[in-house]
Amino acid sequence: KAGVTQTPRYLIKTRGQQVTLSCSPISGHRSVSWYQQTPGQGLQFLFEYFSETQRNKGNFPGRFSGRQFSNSRSEMNVSTLELGDSALYLCASSLAPGSSVPDTQYFGPGTRLTVL
Amino acid sequence: AQSVTQPDIHITVSEGASLELRCNYSYGATPYLFWYVQSPGQGLQLLLKYFSGDTLVQGIKGFEAEFKRSQSSFNLRKPSVHWSDAAEYFCAVGAGNNDMRFGAGTRLTVKP
Repeated sequence: KAGVTQTPRYLIKTRGQQVTLSCSPISGHRSVSWYQQTPGQGLQFLFEYFSETQRNKGNFPGRFSGRQFSNSRSEMNVSTLELGDSALYLCASSLAPGSSVPDTQYFGPGTRLTVL
Repeated sequence: AQSVTQPDIHITVSEGASLELRCNYSYGATPYLFWYVQSPGQGLQLLLKYFSGDTLVQGIKGFEAEFKRSQSSFNLRKPSVHWSDAAEYFCAVGAGNNDMRFGAGTRLTVKP
């Protein structure tokens, strides 16, 4: 079974631009979560989508948004890019919706975004 | 909200030596604990997880972790480290609805 795939793997943008990152979950997985990883802040949760609905959201500004399609693929968008948005963006998928017990998440290789 | 502390930013061990990476968590309810490993330029790979039951958990690549509620710890161990184990290791605590909080990570260097 193929793992989580993310495209593109590397991206260079300039300040003020916007960017869209894509994530394809493991087949059969319905939940997709996004994380930002930076040397200074570590791994930070951005948001989670399940059944095309955002179910959880971390503490990020509204410039960060996402969506999920009916086939569970997800996209993340960052508008008006800032230098501080340079990071590795990781996507993780899980099989079943979390309820009182978290579901094991499987991570993709990430998209390395550099903002100049 | 839950949180995780990994006290050691960087650890160096010799190949063949034993390894223990520390993880302390803070969570008011039953903790769901994970260890992930990240090689350079890669995503995170799940090593093992603890939800309930036996407090000693076996994972992949010869790793194990022990949950100690009294110490709020979930330390990762390996009896004999291989050069390929050099990577960054993350401890995480999860709550419902896939709300995962990660520690800052411990970078492991393996000396030949």
